[in-house]
Amino acid sequence: NAGVTQTPKFQVLKTGQSMTLQCAQDMNHEYMSWYRQDPGMGLRLIHYSVGAGITDQGEVPNGYNVSRSTTEDFPLRLLSAAPSQTSVYFCASSYSRARGSYEQYFGPGTRLTVT
Amino acid sequence: GDSVTQMEGPVTLSEEAFLTINCTYTATGYPSLFWYVQYPGEGLQLLLKATKADDKGSNKGFEATYRKETTSFHLEKGSVQVSDSAVYFCALSELYFNKFYFGSGTKLNVKP
Repeated sequence: NAGVTQTPKFQVLKTGQSMTLQCAQDMNHEYMSWYRQDPGMGLRLIHYSVGAGITDQGEVPNGYNVSRSTTEDFPLRLLSAAPSQTSVYFCASSYSRARGSYEQYFGPGTRLTVT
Repeated sequence: GDSVTQMEGPVTLSEEAFLTINCTYTATGYPSLFWYVQYPGEGLQLLLKATKADDKGSNKGFEATYRKETTSFHLEKGSVQVSDSAVYFCALSELYFNKFYFGSGTKLNVKP
């Protein structure tokens, strides 16, 4: 198992550019989430998905889009990058609560800088 | 809404010292509680968890007990090592949904 993989590891964007952060998991997890990590603020939930075709907003969704066409993939799109989106982005996945084991597994992160 | 509060860091200890990192939570239902650890340049890894009141989670010498009466889940270790230097996050997960709420993280520095 590769677990949760994220690409790229590092990215520099100019203000106004768009890009997609990729996330994939090979554990057949129903739930997938995107977080951003900023100094002193812990992890904040951007968007999450409870299964293919179903997504919902988290705490800080503005400026980001997601879709979930397959169980394995959950890409995060930045529509028009802003310096405030400079952060480290983590993707996570888990089984549903009904499976009895639902702790989240995290990818290695993508460090994004917007200039 | 649900939230997690944990003690500010950084916490600096000498090797073999006793560690406590405080964590308290607010939740409307019956959450599960977690401690995650993040080593430099890496993602978060689950350290331990507890799913109901009075449960004790333990792993690698770390322990935390789910205290419903004080809404707390403090992390403890009897003798820390340099290799324990990392950022520790307390988190909760709601009962009926799998949304996680994380604390702001506590950085632990252990000196030889």
